Amino acid sequence: KNEVEQSPQNLTAQEGEFITINCSYSVGISALHWLQQHPGGGIVSLFMLSSGKKKHGRLIATINIQEKHSSLHITASHPRDSAVYICAAGRNEKLTFGTGTRLTIIP
Amino acid sequence: DVKVTQSSRYLVKRTGEKVFLECVQDMDHENMFWYRQDPGLGLRLIYFSYDVKMKEKGDIPEGYSVSREKKERFSLILESASTNQTSMYLCASTSYAGSSYNEQFFGPGTRLTVL
Repeated sequence: KNEVEQSPQNLTAQEGEFITINCSYSVGISALHWLQQHPGGGIVSLFMLSSGKKKHGRLIATINIQEKHSSLHITASHPRDSAVYICAAGRNEKLTFGTGTRLTIIP
Repeated sequence: DVKVTQSSRYLVKRTGEKVFLECVQDMDHENMFWYRQDPGLGLRLIYFSYDVKMKEKGDIPEGYSVSREKKERFSLILESASTNQTSMYLCASTSYAGSSYNEQFFGPGTRLTVL
């Protein structure tokens, strides 16, 4: 069993839909990271959180430390949100990555 | 704009060749990382460095070595490339913020094909 599990692996939705991507981890963490990877490879950090909830524009990340679970939500999804979203468990400077969720938003 | 750059976006090499992948960051970060990314496996840590001339093995160091002679530059070396090292290679850096580490900044990646 991987230390970081994401679901779903693939998600296709219509523009405007509310999106939820889930991440479960089995290791102790200092922070949980959400990353975005567009076609072509570049990876951008979206959130780093160790408790509660963070919001940036239409993106919201939550974490439940007791349940070792985090969610990434996208409100009013748009085709430009199409990307791979990666969850990573951070233990100090090192990250252990999930295999990613490929999100496709159809206009 | 903060930046992590990598020497090549695409590279094609022959089996047995020595391959150098270079990464440069302009953020004065202490920590630098080399990952490889393969379909279905996600990103896996090859090596990381927490200071000049300091390095530590990651999860999959076999077949690789690294060099960090200057703070801004971290090189990944494939001593004798093999076909199973065909992959996307990503460099990243981060800094220590007193009581925790900050987010990692990633380079654009190098897609290496070994024939």
